[in-house]
Amino acid sequence: NAGVMQNPRHLVRRRGQEARLRCSPMKGHSHVYWYRQLPEEGLKFMVYLQKENIIDESGMPKERFSAEFPKEGPSILRIQQVVRGDSAAYFCASSPQGPHTEAFFGQGTRLTVV
Amino acid sequence: TQLLEQSPQFLSIQEGENLTVYCNSSSVFSSLQWYRQEPGEGPVLLVTVVTGGEVKKLKRLTFQFGDARKDSSLHITAAQPGDTGLYLCAGPFSGGYNKLIFGAGTRLAVHP
Repeated sequence: NAGVMQNPRHLVRRRGQEARLRCSPMKGHSHVYWYRQLPEEGLKFMVYLQKENIIDESGMPKERFSAEFPKEGPSILRIQQVVRGDSAAYFCASSPQGPHTEAFFGQGTRLTVV
Repeated sequence: TQLLEQSPQFLSIQEGENLTVYCNSSSVFSSLQWYRQEPGEGPVLLVTVVTGGEVKKLKRLTFQFGDARKDSSLHITAAQPGDTGLYLCAGPFSGGYNKLIFGAGTRLAVHP
């Protein structure tokens, strides 16, 4: 768990601002997954990326949300024009290779929209 | 649609008691995982069960995968306050294994 690094741990944004969440996968892992967790709920899949490619974004809202995993640097989940309903914990997980049958999660970023 | 239903949703017990939590689905899963999540932290993988009927033990925790691979259970013997947390089951989505399907979790509180 400690190997996947997410920052910031907490992020407060006003409605309409942009939120940028970063995830550095475990060393040697080239597959990254983003999940969202609302209070008292399980995790919901958002997007699966490999280096420079989005493999599956079926769980990500089509508007305002985007994700990338560049050749160099961390994976970024970007939320534009945030609304109160975006307030949640966002978790990143990584794996060394597909298929994605297990996940090693980071500590998450808790986004609060005020 | 693959769904995982966990029960009970909440469980509050005294230290030393035994408990079982359940993870059920109408769909077959190739494997199921159990995670524990503490407040403010990410889920931590406890175990993966793969074979129908499989039983795995992790100290005082016993995990079982149903024969038909549609359900799983977690049994804790002599619970301790350190067992407190949210227990999540998850399985790979059958349509490509690109994602995990999570249950809503069982929130366990063990009181001294």
